[in-house]
Amino acid sequence: QQQVKQSPQSLIVQKGGISIINCAYENTAFDYFPWYQQFPGKGPALLIAIRPDVSEKKEGRFTISFNKSAKQFSLHIMDSQPGDSATYFCAATPRHTGFQKLVFGTGTRLLVSP
Amino acid sequence: DAGVIQSPRHEVTEMGQEVTLRCKPISGHNSLFWYRQTMMRGLELLIYFNNNVPIDDSGMPEDRFSAKMPNASFSTLKIQPSEPRDSAVYFCASSLAGTMNTEAFFGQGTRLTVV
Repeated sequence: QQQVKQSPQSLIVQKGGISIINCAYENTAFDYFPWYQQFPGKGPALLIAIRPDVSEKKEGRFTISFNKSAKQFSLHIMDSQPGDSATYFCAATPRHTGFQKLVFGTGTRLLVSP
Repeated sequence: DAGVIQSPRHEVTEMGQEVTLRCKPISGHNSLFWYRQTMMRGLELLIYFNNNVPIDDSGMPEDRFSAKMPNASFSTLKIQPSEPRDSAVYFCASSLAGTMNTEAFFGQGTRLTVV
């Protein structure tokens, strides 16, 4: 019940295309859903996050879509650029428990071809 | 601020040797987290400290692993004796505590290879 399932494992998108990464969870206590971006040789960094009181959050080219009834959320990267090539992790937690209870997905390696 | 600083960046050691990984959190942060990242298991929380006190070490895989935080600006993760299956990237992260705080900042990691 603590797992967050992430797909696909890897993704290749052409420059200018849309990258879509999906995550699903079981624990209904989860109420905070961040996405992390990790470049090679670097630590993960918070990219964008959403709470379940909204169905969508957009920051620049990055959008999180959230489906509470299906217990699914996804990251969309519009107009994907080679600089977006990185590993993306979804995560979830009951917000009141803080960062220490964050459960991470297994990651998606995105490659944006020029 | 320089961010979370980890050392060394890379460590290659022989099986059976002691390995010590080091972390300097962001100044003013009072929570510190040690993670292990592998292809098979992804990111796993090993232990976290609040105000230098270990709060939850349930993620520490075995007694061979130990972590300390002698002061607010330094923490170590020690593996003794090391084994090839310990090979992974180890990350330290820090945050400003509060149970509602859901963001921490990661260091660049230490890539450990045990041969």
